[in-house]
Amino acid sequence: GAGVSQTPSNKVTEKGKYVELRCDPISGHTALYWYRQSLGQGPEFLIYFQGTGAADDSGLPNDRFFAVRPEGSVSTLKIQRTERGDSAVYLCASSLGRENEQYFGPGTRLTVT
Amino acid sequence: KQEVTQIPAALSVPEGENLVLNCSFTDSAIYNLQWFRQDPGKGLTSLLLIQSSQREQTSGRLNASLDKSSGRSTLYIAASQPGDSATYLCAVKSNYQLIWGAGTKLIIKP
Repeated sequence: GAGVSQTPSNKVTEKGKYVELRCDPISGHTALYWYRQSLGQGPEFLIYFQGTGAADDSGLPNDRFFAVRPEGSVSTLKIQRTERGDSAVYLCASSLGRENEQYFGPGTRLTVT
Repeated sequence: KQEVTQIPAALSVPEGENLVLNCSFTDSAIYNLQWFRQDPGKGLTSLLLIQSSQREQTSGRLNASLDKSSGRSTLYIAASQPGDSATYLCAVKSNYQLIWGAGTKLIIKP
């Protein structure tokens, strides 16, 4: 079956602009996660959804970052007033439940110029 | 707070050698540990997942072990090939989120 998909694969934006990153999880997976990976580092947790609600958003770096999952499937990560330090690969993962294996999408590479 | 460390940060070996990558974690209260492969500019490929109740998992030339009490895992790669060149990441699942090491960049020389 289809895996986790993310769009766009690459996004270049100017400092101060607003961006949206989309994640389509595996069908039937109730848990969805966003991670961010900076160059040369392992991914870092941003937010976890169980169904439509954000069960834990403690990894979001500040209030410029926000994520939604209105129908319990597709999720959008939104970044306002982008800064150069936001440049990274944003990874999405989904799982059947919180204790199940997480499956990752290919990521969105965000570059803020 | 859970912290994951991978040693070495980089490793270069001739083709055909057996090798071991190391991962250590500070809190033994984990659900599972997972090893991933990441190729440059590409996504993550899951290699092996070891549940907290397991000691090891094997897939082809790969073998991963887990010693929860000492907070260690190793990934053993047998008969390495140039196609094994990639960054290898370990991640532990504490509660629901994955906590990651910074990875070991592996280069296999033909």
